[in-house]
Amino acid sequence: DAGVIQSPRHEVTEMGQEVTLRCKPISGHDYLFWYRQTMMRGLELLIYFNNNVPIDDSGMPEDRFSAKMPNASFSTLKIQPSEPRDSAVYFCASSFRFTGQGGEQFFGPGTRLTVL
Amino acid sequence: TQLLEQSPQFLSIQEGENLTVYCNSSSVFSSLQWYRQEPGEGPVLLVTVVTGGEVKKLKRLTFQFGDARKDSSLHITAAQPGDTGLYLCAGARDSNYQLIWGAGTKLIIKP
Repeated sequence: DAGVIQSPRHEVTEMGQEVTLRCKPISGHDYLFWYRQTMMRGLELLIYFNNNVPIDDSGMPEDRFSAKMPNASFSTLKIQPSEPRDSAVYFCASSFRFTGQGGEQFFGPGTRLTVL
Repeated sequence: TQLLEQSPQFLSIQEGENLTVYCNSSSVFSSLQWYRQEPGEGPVLLVTVVTGGEVKKLKRLTFQFGDARKDSSLHITAAQPGDTGLYLCAGARDSNYQLIWGAGTKLIIKP
């Protein structure tokens, strides 16, 4: 398997623009996680899905952020409108086992977002 | 609130030296994972510890889970430049799918 695939790898946009990040999880994994990583706040969970259903979106910072998972092989994270403070590396991760039982999360390479 | 405290935050040592990274919490975890992240990549799992007092070895890396399952340590013997990276601990609870992440320890091994 190719692992978790994310696109784009780098995104530079201007404040106010819409940004869409994409993720293809590992085939057979039924959990998908979106994270944001910054120097100041470390790795933060934004939202996670189980069997394409959003389970917990309490980490989504504002209504400007939205995530969807229309099928088992694709998810998007959208920011509209984007702001400079959204600049970070966004990771998608997938897992096939319940994390509470030690399930490993497999991370994609991340999308580095810069909002000017 | 940082539920998992990692220390030190940053460590720069010479090749061949030993080091220990700590991950502490006041909360009990059902399991604890250690990940390593290299620049431009996502974290990669190194090990999962599940039982209190458990010790796992991965070549020169030794991982220990505290008896009360509230803390963990990572010890590296004879560090090599290839060990350079960001080390993250993450705790899991049976009642929650989320991993609780530490802030990470940035490790640099100088040749």
